[in-house]
Parts: sequence; C-alpha cells; structure tokens
Amino acid sequence: EPEVTQTPSHQVTQMGQEVILRCVPISNHLYFYWYRQILGQKVEFLVSFYNNEISEKSEIFDDQFSVERPDGSNFTLKIRSTKLEDSAMYFCASTGTGAVSDNSPLHFGNGTRLTVT
Amino acid sequence: GQQVMQIPQYQHVQEGEDFTTYCNSSTTLSNIQWYKQRPGGHPVFLIQLVKSGEVKKQKRLTFQFGEAKKNSSLHITATQTTDVGTYFCAARGSGTYKYIFGTGTRLKVLA
Repeated sequence: EPEVTQTPSHQVTQMGQEVILRCVPISNHLYFYWYRQILGQKVEFLVSFYNNEISEKSEIFDDQFSVERPDGSNFTLKIRSTKLEDSAMYFCASTGTGAVSDNSPLHFGNGTRLTVT
Repeated sequence: GQQVMQIPQYQHVQEGEDFTTYCNSSTTLSNIQWYKQRPGGHPVFLIQLVKSGEVKKQKRLTFQFGEAKKNSSLHITATQTTDVGTYFCAARGSGTYKYIFGTGTRLKVLA
C-alpha cells in the first residue's frame, strides 16, 4: 500500500537556525498538509496546500514558516529561524484524488521529531 | 475559530470494560473522521461519518454522528489491550480543506 514518507525522522537544531522538513506524499494525492504535535498534546493544523498554493493556514503558521512543492514529488516545510517552542513532532499528510468533497481520509507520514536546543 | 473538544482527556479501564469518547465542535460540520494514535506512532484513520445521525460499526467499535452534525462519539465494546492509544476526532467544516483535530482521549487498558 502506498504511504507518505518523511525525512529525517529526527532533527536536532540550534535556536535561530533554519530547518527544512521533507515529505513525499502519496503520488496521486492532491491535498497536502502539515500538522504538528507537541509531546503528549493534540495534533495541531499548520497549513493545507492544493494546486501548488496554500489553501489555508493556522495562526501558528506565521512568517517564519513556509511550504513548497519544488518538484511535483516532495512537499517541504521550512522554518526560517527556529525557536525553542518549535520543538515538536511534525506530521505530513496527504489525501484526495478529486474534489475536496470526496472526503478521503488523511494519510500521515511517520513524522519528524524536531528538537530545538 | 473552530474548536473541537473531546472528553474525557484520559480513561483507564479494565480489559473487557466498555469505553466511550465524545467529540464536540463549536460549528456545524461537513464530515468527521476518527483516528487512532498508538504511543510513538502517527494518527491512523479509522472511519468517516458524513450524514446527520449516521451510525457505523467496525467490529467492537461503534461511531455516531449527531443529528445536528456538531458532535460525534466512539464506543468500544469489551476493550482489549490492543485498543490502547489516543483516539482523535478530526472535524471538517464546509468549503474548507482543513481538518481540525480534537483534543484526544488517551485510553489505557489494564489487563
């Protein structure tokens, strides 16, 4: 069964550094998402992406964050200047082969654990 | 913005007991999905509910969508140790691409 893959599985970075988290969504999916989960807490929506542009973003997704689909395969999340509070598990998800109303399930990757020191 | 709350936050049950988690949205929903996350894992899709009052069953799991499409529940009959994990509802409003996850209910099953 096709799956969403994320790299790296764990990233340690110093405060103020830039990080790029990478995801390869399922190949025929059209909708892509980034969520984050601080340890033991809820899964928080960051951003959704469709047709090569951001569809929606949350208040968390400020100017320090950006997403890109550089080559039709990868979907990346960049944090420009990391802060301690960015430490979390970041999940990529993809869904949908047609209209948003098709209500397809979200398929999640295994996540990237980001630790900011 | 849209808020999605779940109760209880934690539930410890003896193996064989039943378990229910409730999900409540501040706004009317287009559809709701349920996910299970094992410790150290990622959310895994369980089921989707779309119609008002819909009830779906998966073996020992029963899912309901409220008549007003603002609340939902997941009931597990005769829990097993394999049911351990956190159960999240994920709610989508109409005309939006995003799913907002509930606060989650962490289930622990004592053998």
